[in-house]
Amino acid sequence: EIVLTQSPGTLSLSPGERATLSCRASQSVSSTYLAWYQQKPGQAPRLLIYGASTRATGIPDRFSGSGSGTDFTLTVSRLEPEDFAVYYCHQYGNSPLTFGQGTKVEIK
Amino acid sequence: QVQLVQSGAEVKNPGASVKVSCKASGYTFTYYAMHWVRQAPGQRPEWMGWINPGNHNTEYSQKVQGRVTFTTDTSATTVYMELSSLRSEDTAVYYCVRDSGRDWLLEHWGQGILVTVSS
Repeated sequence: EIVLTQSPGTLSLSPGERATLSCRASQSVSSTYLAWYQQKPGQAPRLLIYGASTRATGIPDRFSGSGSGTDFTLTVSRLEPEDFAVYYCHQYGNSPLTFGQGTKVEIK
Repeated sequence: QVQLVQSGAEVKNPGASVKVSCKASGYTFTYYAMHWVRQAPGQRPEWMGWINPGNHNTEYSQKVQGRVTFTTDTSATTVYMELSSLRSEDTAVYYCVRDSGRDWLLEHWGQGILVTVSS
């Protein structure tokens, strides 16, 4: 099983600031099958990024993903008020599919 | 547009079974696998497995294998998840999720069903 470890656990930032979230895999993620989701309280996760760097339909370009192998990054260039949420990385190349433990981006 | 509408919240006693549904619309039902993902309060999502409505093939995670069954009703474009021998650790929101059709990318999520296991 591929274990995904996210850091930091919580990120305290102000609107307009840049957010950088990290995800490290316990083994290489095959063919860059790495996705990022945003989740707000009481809602289902929302797909932001897949294939490590491709934005999903309708996702603003302030969200970007990068990385390969075992190290991946989600960057939000300038935080908007609606971006404060929990973010999960997820690998979907190997069974069982697994998720990181999440990074909470909170308002400072 | 793709829509996945799940059945309502359930409260069950330990040892009981629960069967929840996921009604799909807006795409060709048999072309895409449906996954089930659950999320306990304050925890990360946990993948439970998938079913291919086209050929009824299934794969279950080791953690729930033996207690979970996925089925489909093609005429009703509905997928079902039944979980037996419920315990308190099964208390979670259960999501059906349609994949991309090319790979296991979890693309479209249902609204979720809260299943509470409590005596």
